[in-house]
Amino acid sequence: AQSVAQPEDQVNVAEGNPLTVKCTYSVSGNPYLFWYVQYPNRGLQFLLKYITGDNLVKGSYGFEAEFNKSQTSFHLKKPSALVSDSALYFCAVRDMENSGYSTLTFGKGTMLLVSP
Amino acid sequence: KAGVTQTPRYLIKTRGQQVTLSCSPISGHRSVSWYQQTPGQGLQFLFEYFSETQRNKGNFPGRFSGRQFSNSRSEMNVSTLELGDSALYLCASSLSTGVDGYTFGSGTRLTVV
Repeated sequence: AQSVAQPEDQVNVAEGNPLTVKCTYSVSGNPYLFWYVQYPNRGLQFLLKYITGDNLVKGSYGFEAEFNKSQTSFHLKKPSALVSDSALYFCAVRDMENSGYSTLTFGKGTMLLVSP
Repeated sequence: KAGVTQTPRYLIKTRGQQVTLSCSPISGHRSVSWYQQTPGQGLQFLFEYFSETQRNKGNFPGRFSGRQFSNSRSEMNVSTLELGDSALYLCASSLSTGVDGYTFGSGTRLTVV
């Protein structure tokens, strides 16, 4: 079975400071990894994905994530946070070996609050 | 291009009633997945359809069902509604089976009273 852990319910950061939202995963094969963001009363918006290749993935709105196979982690980062980044962030994983039949499993979500 | 469209956006139903939610995927997308989102349980997978066939099903009771039409539009139905079914129901579409990532709709907010 595949799973995702987001150990922090909430992350607080001041505007202009770097931010990190943590994610670890568990799959039997190689992972497809995703980050999504959700604003209030809206669906999820795709930020970035890791399928294969470079461990550092760049995505929308200046976000990036680093895939670390040995630590089974895929932390989301941004060098300089904006107040408008405040939202709920979800990490998700899909088992590459069974991509035709496995589901996309989401973590519980991490609320990011950026203070002015 | 148009995104994923879910209708209706908001719905209030009474316990015991049934409800049907609709999802129109992005043109050309053949895979549609449904998720239930609640504050306590987070995002829980309901089912996934690809070319009118259910490929996966989550751990929900039989009161939850779905289908996909030949134009890739999908519907989900919940019968005998319970208070605990109150949630945001999200639909997501992808080109094939999710390798490309999902595009989500804005969701249907279902309130059961």
